[in-house]
Amino acid sequence: QVQLQESGPGLVKPSETLSLTCTVSGYSISSGYYWGWIRQPPGKGLEWIGSIYHSGSTYYNPSLKSRVTISVDTSKNQFSLKLSSVTAADTAVYYCARDSDPIVPAALFDPWGQGTLVTVSS
Amino acid sequence: AIWMTQSPSLLSASTGDRVTISCRMSQGISSYLAWYQQKPGKAPELLIYAASTLQSGVPSRFSGSGSGTDFTLTISCLQSEDFATYYCQQYYSFPRTFGQGTKVEIK
Repeated sequence: QVQLQESGPGLVKPSETLSLTCTVSGYSISSGYYWGWIRQPPGKGLEWIGSIYHSGSTYYNPSLKSRVTISVDTSKNQFSLKLSSVTAADTAVYYCARDSDPIVPAALFDPWGQGTLVTVSS
Repeated sequence: AIWMTQSPSLLSASTGDRVTISCRMSQGISSYLAWYQQKPGKAPELLIYAASTLQSGVPSRFSGSGSGTDFTLTISCLQSEDFATYYCQQYYSFPRTFGQGTKVEIK
């Protein structure tokens, strides 16, 4: 079964770049589907950040697009998130997820990783 | 972006109750709507997609309906494990957006 695991620093300083990696097991990223990042500020709702295909094709949320880069490393079966110029408003649990819709890109998120809390603070 | 309004934000119910959660869209999205369940400290889980199709393994007490701008998630007989927060999500257009969530709590 597909499993995803986020990894990366739990604390990032304001104005720096947040970097997270999602390691996928039980499924080859190269086999298909989009792979995405979603975040959830403490006590708040969910925000889609962006998604990537194994070819490198991406979709980004326009609200974050100027600061976000999502990349994929098929050799390691991983995909990554970089968010630059972070502020306290970027403090959130960051989830990675697989898109489960084989037709509509970056549509449905299932399964998800367990999530990782990233705090932006000096 | 397409915005959604979920109601109610908080729903107090008892085990065995029938509960309904509404999700209204700012514009029509056909049936490109999903529902997720999130328990405290856990990642969301996909319950329903295409407005009314149950994800594999989801109990049949969950059902979804609607199309266009108005959608409903119904739990026919609330079980203890159903107390959680529920989110709707549209995938009709980019950016993908979620509702603000409905917390179902024990009455």
